[in-house]
Order: sequence, then C-alpha cells, then structure tokens
Amino acid sequence: EADIYQTPRYLVIGTGKKITLECSQTMGHDKMYWYQQDPGMELHLIHYSYGVNSTEKGDLSSESTVSRIRTEHFPLTLESARPSHTSQYLCATYRVEQYFGPGTRLTVT
Amino acid sequence: KQEVTQIPAALSVPEGENLVLNCSFTDSAIYNLQWFRQDPGKGLTSLLLIQSSQREQTSGRLNASLDKSSGRSTLYIAASQPGDSATYLCAVDYGGSQGNLIFGKGTKLSVKP
Repeated sequence: EADIYQTPRYLVIGTGKKITLECSQTMGHDKMYWYQQDPGMELHLIHYSYGVNSTEKGDLSSESTVSRIRTEHFPLTLESARPSHTSQYLCATYRVEQYFGPGTRLTVT
Repeated sequence: KQEVTQIPAALSVPEGENLVLNCSFTDSAIYNLQWFRQDPGKGLTSLLLIQSSQREQTSGRLNASLDKSSGRSTLYIAASQPGDSATYLCAVDYGGSQGNLIFGKGTKLSVKP
C-alpha cells in the first residue's frame, strides 16, 4: 500500500494569490510526478523529479514550479493563481509501478 | 509518437455481465503496463501491473492480458457489480526505470443494478 499524502484536499482561492500544493510520501521513492486533470478529461504530466535536486517540466506547459529538497517532499507552487488554473492536481511516485495520492481539487475564483 | 488508445470511451452494462475493456499502444517495446481505476474526483488506484515478460495478471474478478506483438492489452471484469462503476485507465511505461507513463484517456464504465 502506497502512502502518499496531498494537502489541502480542496482549495478555493482568489485570483492573484500565491499557493503551494503539498505532496509527501513515506516509501522513500526517488521518482515523483505532478499531473493536472480537468473533470472528466485525461491526465497531463506537468512536472517530475528523479530525486533530490532534480526537477523537469512535463508534457503540458504549466505556470507552476516545483522543488525537491527532500526525497519525501515534492511541493508545487503557483505564484499568482488564475481561473485557468482551476483543476485537479495529482501527485504520484514510482518504483516498478506508479502510485497516486488522493489529489487536490483547486478552484480559483 | 508513442500513443495509448482506449476503446470504448464509455460503456454501460447491466449488473452481472462479464465485460472487456481494450487498450492499444503504438510502440511494442514496452517496459510494463498498468491498469488503474479512478472514481470521480479521486486519485488513481492501481489495479494490475503487467511486466513486459508476462502475458497476464489476475486479481479477484479482474484479469489483464498483454500482447506486445499486436500492441494490445485487455482488462476483463467478471460478474460486474455497481461498485465497479468508475473510469478505467491504461498506462504504458516505455522508459525502463524512469517511470514516465503514457496514459490512455480511459473508459468510463457504468454498471446498472
């Protein structure tokens, strides 16, 4: 059983605010990922990391940034939230297979 | 370009029916293939992982098969139940140990009581 935690689970915030979505894992997996998913739509990879101090942009262009200072922690930051950022954000880890967290549903008003 | 396609996009069946979900991929040089389940507004739950050297995997009422030569995988659900209603996603790992999966768009399954 994978232990991946995402906080907050739900967030409603106004335009222009800075937000950080948290993702943490207890399995010691080096590889971590952030996906963006609109309701009923496909997953899009926006960031990934192969280990500490490693971050890469994914297939979908995103205005968010990530950091990987510790193995267990992979936060995603939006410097200035916009309504177009309204979506579900899913964090995942990988060792042999991918494991997903419960997701953060973000609404920007 | 490596692509993963799932057919059908949506499926509605009566309870108790056996059903098959299809996944096809363009490049047969896969590392492994995963089937996931996603409930509305939730994260993905891994159902089955098939390594490239395997032909099938079973878990309870679920059976997944892999045919690399034809670029296809199927997920068989036996004796479907209303609780099986969800979106099922297929994901192919081409990257060896990198873990960058390519996802299909999913099949939305509805099992009617």
